[in-house]
Amino acid sequence: KQEVTQIPAALSVPEGENLVLNCSFTDSAIYNLQWFRQDPGKGLTSLLLIQSSQREQTSGRLNASLDKSSGRSTLYIAASQPGDSATYLCAARPYSGGGADGLTFGKGTHLIIQP
Amino acid sequence: DAGITQSPRHKVTETGTPVTLRCHQTENHRYMYWYRQDPEHGLRLIHYSYGVKDTDKGEVSDGYSVSRSKTEDFLLTLESATSSQTSVYFCAISESDNQPQHFGDGTRLSIL
Repeated sequence: KQEVTQIPAALSVPEGENLVLNCSFTDSAIYNLQWFRQDPGKGLTSLLLIQSSQREQTSGRLNASLDKSSGRSTLYIAASQPGDSATYLCAARPYSGGGADGLTFGKGTHLIIQP
Repeated sequence: DAGITQSPRHKVTETGTPVTLRCHQTENHRYMYWYRQDPEHGLRLIHYSYGVKDTDKGEVSDGYSVSRSKTEDFLLTLESATSSQTSVYFCAISESDNQPQHFGDGTRLSIL
């Protein structure tokens, strides 16, 4: 059974810092890995999707990397802003052939950016 | 934002009553999913659908059933609600297996 772990569970940093959020998974047979942010009381917003054949994806100040062999993904946030404060979730999609299977989620990193 | 509407947004009901949650999408995506989110366990998959009338179980499917009679609608039913089913329920959609999943705003369900 796939298990996804995110470390740290919470992080507080001053505005302007670059930071890295970590995600690890136990089964390397994944189809892709997706990063989300969730604001309090809201749904999930998709940030980046990395296919199993890719090493990284970038969107604006965000960069996500994937190392299947070591079972790790990182989300790099450059020049953090107070608006980046949220819970960040990573989720792995299993490689089952059909591709319709749901995601296995980590419990998230609660990020606070201090003004 | 992906066109996903969940209804109702909030519901309070009693143990033993049937409950149906609706997910409606306007994106014509093939795949639809139901998840529940709890503080202790995080997000977990309940059921998913890979086409009209094609559904399958997820990790925590006991006590839940689903139906998809049209591409745009995916219903989640709790036949006889229990307090352990108090949770926030999210619907998600994706266009294909190599495309991202997009989530609705959730339904907060309380079972007393």
